[in-house]
Amino acid sequence: GEDVEQSLFLSVREGDSSVINCTYTDSSSTYLYWYKQEPGAGLQLLTYIFSNMDMKQDQRLTVLLNKKDKHLSLRIADTQTGDSAIYFCAETMRNSGYALNFGKGTSLLVTP
Amino acid sequence: GAVVSQHPSRVICKSGTSVKIECRSLDFQATTMFWYRQFPKQSLMLMATSNEGSKATYEQGVEKDKFLINHASLTLSTLTVTSAHPEDSSFYICSAIPPRNRETQYFGPGTRLLVL
Repeated sequence: GEDVEQSLFLSVREGDSSVINCTYTDSSSTYLYWYKQEPGAGLQLLTYIFSNMDMKQDQRLTVLLNKKDKHLSLRIADTQTGDSAIYFCAETMRNSGYALNFGKGTSLLVTP
Repeated sequence: GAVVSQHPSRVICKSGTSVKIECRSLDFQATTMFWYRQFPKQSLMLMATSNEGSKATYEQGVEKDKFLINHASLTLSTLTVTSAHPEDSSFYICSAIPPRNRETQYFGPGTRLLVL
């Protein structure tokens, strides 16, 4: 499918906020997702947002959706070293049920 | 939360052999499972949609005779890589959709395949 774009790398200091950005491709995507992947492991669903919402907050995580610009962001408040991982943005694929089209992932490094 | 398991977690095989990977949904029945493939430092690419009781639907460019998918029960889908070659070496990840919350897709821990 077409590319979901993410910046490849982000480095923040422990305690700061992290913002990971994503541009998706399909304006008809029903849901947009953020997944976390630690080294050698599978994907952990962090949060998702329905396309008719523009914001969703879940504890330290805030998702912002700009449907006009097809822009999705994930903000992690009070980032901890355990948050270091790769974060994938994903959209539901057109005509594929709930199969997902993923970005290449943003590698987040949290330094003490 | 929902749990999806995969077995084996790692496998090394010789070129030309076949490898079977199992994906199980442990606490819900899944009529639909997906198989993805991830190359190092790359994104996940959808290979196929596995539907219980019917044939899998393959994405463009994925050879169905090479990647055999069987979804024989509501909790188990298998991916068999037939006549594996070194270029098939990859991280294979499955996911399953619970019937009541179809927007929440749960992923297995992945299977790392190395073909020598």
